[in-house]
Amino acid sequence: TQLLEQSPQFLSIQEGENLTVYCNSSSVFSSLQWYRQEPGEGPVLLVTVVTGGEVKKLKRLTFQFGDARKDSSLHITAAQPGDTGLYLCAGGRYNFNKFYFGSGTKLNVKP
Amino acid sequence: GEEVAQTPKHLVRGEGQKAKLYCAPIKGHSYVFWYQQVLKNEFKFLISFQNENVFDETGMPKERFSAKCLPNSPCSLEIQATKLEDSAVYFCASSQSQQGGQPQHFGDGTRLSIL
Repeated sequence: TQLLEQSPQFLSIQEGENLTVYCNSSSVFSSLQWYRQEPGEGPVLLVTVVTGGEVKKLKRLTFQFGDARKDSSLHITAAQPGDTGLYLCAGGRYNFNKFYFGSGTKLNVKP
Repeated sequence: GEEVAQTPKHLVRGEGQKAKLYCAPIKGHSYVFWYQQVLKNEFKFLISFQNENVFDETGMPKERFSAKCLPNSPCSLEIQATKLEDSAVYFCASSQSQQGGQPQHFGDGTRLSIL
């Protein structure tokens, strides 16, 4: 079983629509990262959040870390075809020497 | 270097052959992580290093997989007696630290195909 559950698994929307991707766990994380991966490439870091309740904005992308540091969300406003890709959350935990990845959300934004 | 460099980009091996993958982390990064990404996009953690020391190897199928990070050399991941199920993209990532919100930076992966 995955420590980090992402939802939805797949999302196909029209250009201009808004969307939210969720990353949930029953475990506490010391930090959480969001990545975007395109075919044939490695994941590219979008943001890191470390403080419970933290909100970070990156142009049309808004990232939130839950107060209890167990969950996170990624909200995209007015999605564009260039946002298409696989979105992954990954968490680091205290005293654990690895990062845990979510199962990914495959986003397709149609023009 | 400024990027994590993985070689080769593609590797094809017959079942039972050996496969060796390489990773040069970003200069100054002390931590190296290896992941296996299979068709369902799931990232399976294999092993991590702090400099040349194994940090966590709980994800490694030890009977056929081995990895090293030696000073002044690229890190390597070796698979002996490959099986069809080893076909996947293997990603290497490096990080300055595992704690304090330091993120991982990924290479572009090595696609391993076992025929």
